[in-house]
Amino acid sequence: DAGITQSPRHKVTETGTPVTLRCHQTENHRYMYWYRQDPGHGLRLIHYSYGVKDTDKGEVSDGYSVSRSKTEDFLLTLESATSSQTSVYFCAISERGANTEAFFGQGTRLTVV
Amino acid sequence: QQQVKQSPQSLIVQKGGISIINCAYENTAFDYFPWYQQFPGKGPALLIAIRPDVSEKKEGRFTISFNKSAKQFSLHIMDSQPGDSATYFCAASRDDKIIFGKGTRLHILP
Repeated sequence: DAGITQSPRHKVTETGTPVTLRCHQTENHRYMYWYRQDPGHGLRLIHYSYGVKDTDKGEVSDGYSVSRSKTEDFLLTLESATSSQTSVYFCAISERGANTEAFFGQGTRLTVV
Repeated sequence: QQQVKQSPQSLIVQKGGISIINCAYENTAFDYFPWYQQFPGKGPALLIAIRPDVSEKKEGRFTISFNKSAKQFSLHIMDSQPGDSATYFCAASRDDKIIFGKGTRLHILP
């Protein structure tokens, strides 16, 4: 995988607790994305970043926030986790934006009980 | 609102056959149409992509056919092999966003 590390890889958390997922890249790519993957829904864009401190919402951003203080790190935070946020979360990076190849991490499986 | 519609949801093909997956999009502003392949436990990986100024692109056994007027594009896998068994996602992008279809689970029978 193209220098992308997601952490943790697996997490079980309780409803109402805050959760932060981390995406770290070593490719110096400008664009970073957070997707969630659910059966029957495919990949849905949560938030994305087009530079340090530059972020925007995707299709399913409610209940999620992001931060990017360094080029290499993109954090996804669930302020108060709900069972509907149980999912597999993927980070992706792209050098020149959405109309070029995106490289995906291995994913984080999050279970909210 | 689903901007990229993908079909079928699942597909079973005999080894050596042709696998065909279809996608339709709504927004004419999309300017890049990639296909991603995903194996269990892995992240998706780019398989092949096309831009709307061409009608077909071929890479090995994989071909994208693109119909701009119909707002449709499809993936053809020739001589399908058991190793092609995976989930395939079409996507379309504009501005800074990549929008994915819901995926097709392909199984190639040995």
